[in-house]
Order: sequence, then C-alpha cells, then structure tokens
Amino acid sequence: EDQVTQSPEALRLQEGESSSLNCSYTVSGLRGLFWYRQDPGKGPEFLFTLYSAGEEKEKERLKATLTKKESFLHITAPKPEDSATYLCAVQEISGNTPLVFGKGTRLSVIA
Amino acid sequence: KAGVTQTPRYLIKTRGQQVTLSCSPISGHRSVSWYQQTPGQGLQFLFEYFSETQRNKGNFPGRFSGRQFSNSRSEMNVSTLELGDSALYLCASSLAGEPQHFGDGTRLSIL
Repeated sequence: EDQVTQSPEALRLQEGESSSLNCSYTVSGLRGLFWYRQDPGKGPEFLFTLYSAGEEKEKERLKATLTKKESFLHITAPKPEDSATYLCAVQEISGNTPLVFGKGTRLSVIA
Repeated sequence: KAGVTQTPRYLIKTRGQQVTLSCSPISGHRSVSWYQQTPGQGLQFLFEYFSETQRNKGNFPGRFSGRQFSNSRSEMNVSTLELGDSALYLCASSLAGEPQHFGDGTRLSIL
C-alpha cells in the first residue's frame, strides 16, 4: 500500500531562518510527487510536481527536490507570509490512480 | 480563469440527515476528484469522476456517493450522516496528465 510520511508535523522558524521539510514515500512506481500549500480555511494550492530522482523545482523562496525515497521542500529566508501547512502527495505510475497525501507539516514563521 | 468552485461553503446538519455538495471544475477540466480532510486523518480520497464515469473509488462506506454531469460539474452525497462525517470536503479538478487544482471546500458540521 502506498504510504506518504511528512516530518516534522509542525515547525516554528524565525523570519530568515532557513529549513527543510521532509516527505518520505513508498510506492511501487512513481508517476509524480506533488507539493501543495494550504492556508487556514482554504483548499490546497499547487506548488510543484517532481517526476524523477534528481529533479529540482524552484519558486521564490521554495525549492523542492526528489530522491528515490523522499522529497525535500527547502525554504530559504522565510517570511511570515510563508506560514501555512505544506502537503506532499504521490501518484503511482500504474493507470489513473488517485493521489495519496501525507498529513502535512504546519509551518509558522515568526517575525 | 475561474478556479474550482464549491458550494455551499458551510453546512450544519444533524445525525441521520443527508447532504449534497456541489463542485464546478475549472473550465475544460473533465476529471473531478473528491477528498475528505480531517485533523486526524488528513486528506483522504473519496472518488474520482471522468466524463461522467467513476474512475476510482476510495475506502469509504456506500453512504458516500457521487456523480458527474455532462458539463463536468460534480456532486457528492452523504446519506444517514454520522458525527464522524464532520470534515472539510474538498473537490479538485484537472486536465489529463496535469496537477489537480482544489476548491476551498465545504465545511460540514454534524450535530
């Protein structure tokens, strides 16, 4: 059974203090790994898709990387507006399979 | 371009009642997926519809059902509501091979 585990559950950073969020996964074959950001009272907002080990994607202060067993979301010099829950999801390579989500990392950035 | 629209945003029901939630996907998107989000379980997949056909189904009881119309709009229905059905219900739409885009959900509270 596909599994996605995110760590830490919660992370509190000072503004400007860089850090990384982890998403480890087990699938028989990976079609894609997805990162989303979710603000309170809102639906998840798409950030990145990664397809193969070694791939990297960047957007503003965020960079996502992928290995064969895990993905990292690096946050460089975060600002308070980066505070949100970050969700990771995987999709298996066989057929039109649904996304399997981790439980997320709740990030708080303090000014 | 308009995003995914879910109605209503909030609902309060009592045990034993039934409820219907609505989702209008992004124009041109034919795949619509539904998820249940709770603090303890995170996002859990309910079902996916593509061109009016259910393509995937998650591990939920038969009280949870859905359908998709010819204009790709989708509804989900929950019958005989239980306290444990209190959750944020999220709808996502996508083009083939593209990431899913989420609405802001319907917050369902069961009294």
